[in-house]
Amino acid sequence: AQRVTQPEKLLSVFKGAPVELKCNYSYSGSPELFWYVQYSRQRLQLLLRHISRESIKGFTADLNKGETSFHLKKPFAQEEDSAMYYCALSHNQGGKLIFGQGTELSVKP
Amino acid sequence: DTGVSQNPRHKITKRGQNVTFRCDPISEHNRLYWYRQTLGQGPEFLTYFQNEAQLEKSRLLSDRFSAERPKGSFSTLEIQRTEQGDSAMYLCASSTRGHPNEKLFFGSGTQLSVL
Repeated sequence: AQRVTQPEKLLSVFKGAPVELKCNYSYSGSPELFWYVQYSRQRLQLLLRHISRESIKGFTADLNKGETSFHLKKPFAQEEDSAMYYCALSHNQGGKLIFGQGTELSVKP
Repeated sequence: DTGVSQNPRHKITKRGQNVTFRCDPISEHNRLYWYRQTLGQGPEFLTYFQNEAQLEKSRLLSDRFSAERPKGSFSTLEIQRTEQGDSAMYLCASSTRGHPNEKLFFGSGTQLSVL
C-alpha cells in the first residue's frame, strides 16, 4: 500500500541548530515527493519537490530510493521556521497526494 | 486576495443536517481538489475535477458526500445527513495542469463541527 510516514509528531530545536525532519514512504513505482509547510494561521503551501532539486528557505531534501526516504534538512534553524511540515507523495505527477501525519517543528530562541 | 477562497470558514451543525461548502479556485486553474483533514493527521484526498468533469473519487467519499463543479469554475461539496465523524477541516486546492509535478494552491479550509 502507498503510505507516507513521518515518525516525529514534534521536533524541538534551538535557533542555529541543524534540523532534520524525517519522511519515509512506501510505494512500488517511481514516486514524486514533496514537502508542504503550514505556518501559524496560514494556508498549506508547497515548500519544495524532489524533482526540482532546489533549496527553499535554506531547506533541502534528497530522495533516497534505497532507504525510501525523503528527509528535510536545514543546517541552521531559524525561529521563523517554526511550522507544521507535511511530507507528501504523488504517483502520477498529479495533485492527488498522499500526506504523512505531519511534524510540528518548534525552533526556540 | 487572488488565492483559493473557501466559504464558510466555520460551520457548526447538528447531526443529521445537510451542509454545503463552496470553493472558488484561482481563476485560470482547471483542476480542483477536495481534501479532508482531521486533528493530528495530514490531509486526505477526497475527489478532484478537471474543468467540470469529476475524474476521481476516494473510497473515503461515502454516498452521503457529493461534489460538483458545474461550469468548471467554483465547486461545492455537500454532506447529507451529517455524522459526528464528519467533523474535520475540508480543504480545497487548485492547480494548472501542463507542468511537471503540478503545484497545488490550497485554500484556508472550512472547519466543520457536527454536534
